[in-house]
Amino acid sequence: QKEVEQNSGPLSVPEGAIASLNCTYSDRGSQSFFWYRQYSGKSPELIMFIYSNGDKEDGRFTAQLNKASQYVSLLIRDSQPSDSATYLCAVKTSYDKVIFGPGTSLSVIP
Amino acid sequence: DGGITQSPKYLFRKEGQNVTLSCEQNLNHDAMYWYRQDPGQGLRLIYYSQIVNDFQKGDIAEGYSVSREKKESFPLTVTSAQKNPTAFYLCASSTNRANTEAFFGQGTRLTVV
Repeated sequence: QKEVEQNSGPLSVPEGAIASLNCTYSDRGSQSFFWYRQYSGKSPELIMFIYSNGDKEDGRFTAQLNKASQYVSLLIRDSQPSDSATYLCAVKTSYDKVIFGPGTSLSVIP
Repeated sequence: DGGITQSPKYLFRKEGQNVTLSCEQNLNHDAMYWYRQDPGQGLRLIYYSQIVNDFQKGDIAEGYSVSREKKESFPLTVTSAQKNPTAFYLCASSTNRANTEAFFGQGTRLTVV
């Protein structure tokens, strides 16, 4: 089992819809969870972080964490074509190493 | 300004040559990472270092070497043993504390000619 797994995608949603991105992790002692967005040819940029169970909202983005299920998700409301990118889930493990998932490619169709 | 600097941005290498990619950070981060990314693919970990003078192999270390003599610097050498080195290389750094994220450099695009 890989340490961090994501839906492989690609995920296509119409403009204005909700995009849902999922991530699972194997280290039960992990404390910190991050979502990065990467545009083609660019380096990843942090868009959300979450440390506690539950939901965290920032504008159109909501991160959800369920430590018991070892599951993290990112919801993007009112998706825009500019949201088209690869989304990387990252987990900081109990031994302080940052592990990235393989990424999910999102395409928002106008 | 604090950040991570990778150089060069573009690098061309002839087959059989070793090349070294530079990564410097002034964020006082303990941990540093090197990733490789191929077109349409995710990040693959090459090497990481959580402390000066110590580093660990990642998932695809063969054909690569690193050093960590200073906290600020984590250079990556792509050796001639790496058979398919053309890729986008990303360096990242992080603290060794919980609840802190990884920061990325702008990347180096290596092409074998």
